[in-house]
Amino acid sequence: DAMVIQNPRYQVTQFGKPVTLSCSQTLNHNVMYWYQQKSSQAPKLLFHYYDKDFNNEADTPDNFQSRRPNTSFCFLDIRSPGLGDAAMYLCATGTGTGLYEQFFGPGTRLTVL
Amino acid sequence: AQTVTQSQPEMSVQEAETVTLSCTYDTSESDYYLFWYKQPPSRQMILVIRQEAYKQQNATENRFSVNFQKAAKSFSLKISDSQLGDAAMYFCAYVPMEYGNKLVFGAGTILRVKS
Repeated sequence: DAMVIQNPRYQVTQFGKPVTLSCSQTLNHNVMYWYQQKSSQAPKLLFHYYDKDFNNEADTPDNFQSRRPNTSFCFLDIRSPGLGDAAMYLCATGTGTGLYEQFFGPGTRLTVL
Repeated sequence: AQTVTQSQPEMSVQEAETVTLSCTYDTSESDYYLFWYKQPPSRQMILVIRQEAYKQQNATENRFSVNFQKAAKSFSLKISDSQLGDAAMYFCAYVPMEYGNKLVFGAGTILRVKS
């Protein structure tokens, strides 16, 4: 089945220790998104790639970066995680045209100790 | 700026009953898309239903239907014959055609289903 896969599902890191979260997709979608979601809140868009074009949200901290080496994979790098970065990180994909629906992965729960 | 408002932080419904979740949005655009997403506890966010603004007919997907009032900028979700599996956080979302790649989410409504 075509899907969005996130690894790992749970990640524990230490304060200030860099961490990378990964996302892959078999949908062959042009657009890949990274969201941060804190408990009982709506997802907050951090950035997205349209093909190789990177689009950062104005309020995304510099501590968060992303890479998309090819169509299928996208990575979220947190350079120096703080306690406030503990959250669920959602990856989503979309075609960027048509109905503009987004398809979400299961998320990675990040804990910062 | 486009905003989406879900005025009900929590709702409860008895199994087999009907519940309506409300959503209003603010936009100056005439063409856009609206979505309801469901996020069960510790599970993946999935699309429940979508509505194209240029369509007057309300979208329906099995037990889920919407009441789309374009002039009032209202987009409510009706769940008929509620089931225990409907318990989740529901997000209303809007896609402005100007930024077709971005979803604008409401704050969400937690739906509890009582047996």
